[in-house]
Amino acid sequence: DMKVTQMPRYLIKRMGENVLLECGQDMSHETMYWYRQDPGLGLQLIYISYDVDSNSEGDIPKGYRVSRKKREHFSLILDSAKTNQTSVYFCASSLSRESDYTFGSGTRLLVI
Amino acid sequence: GDSVTQTEGLVTLTEGLPVMLNCTYQTIYSNPFLFWYVQHLNESPRLLLKSFTDNKRTEHQGFHATLHKSSSSFHLQKSSAQLSDSALYYCAHGGYKVVFGSGTRLLVSP
Repeated sequence: DMKVTQMPRYLIKRMGENVLLECGQDMSHETMYWYRQDPGLGLQLIYISYDVDSNSEGDIPKGYRVSRKKREHFSLILDSAKTNQTSVYFCASSLSRESDYTFGSGTRLLVI
Repeated sequence: GDSVTQTEGLVTLTEGLPVMLNCTYQTIYSNPFLFWYVQHLNESPRLLLKSFTDNKRTEHQGFHATLHKSSSSFHLQKSSAQLSDSALYYCAHGGYKVVFGSGTRLLVSP
């Protein structure tokens, strides 16, 4: 079954700590994404990756960085987490920019 | 820039009544792909419908939508709401990049 896997599902971090969210896909999709979802704001695009080491900022990249060293793996890093980064983070992948997305199950991050 | 507008943040319906969720879009891309995603509580969004053909009705799981390029619309409809339809619905368009609307929460009550 083709899927996108996110780890961890739940995470609690203190303000100032570093956070690593991991995402993997087994569909050999070139394009991967990180979104955050907040009530009333919908899905906000943080970063897009078009392939290994080919990443672009989305609409809200500030405070985040990404790493993609293998096609099937895309990481989101928060250096020195802030309380306003408390959110649900979704990873997604697609065959191309015009294809539909497959979403991971999400990571609920709480920064205290 | 590109955008997707979902005018209703919350739609409440009684079971059995018809559903219509509005979606309009703006894009410079001449051949946009339009999508509807559905997200049930504590789940991730999943694709419900997609279309890239003007004036062609697309159906899935009792829902349907027709892309109208003349009015830049892709409204989601269903003839009879069910309790299990309660969820968050996102309209999105794909072109140079996928743009999501802010979502419409549908609440169906008995």
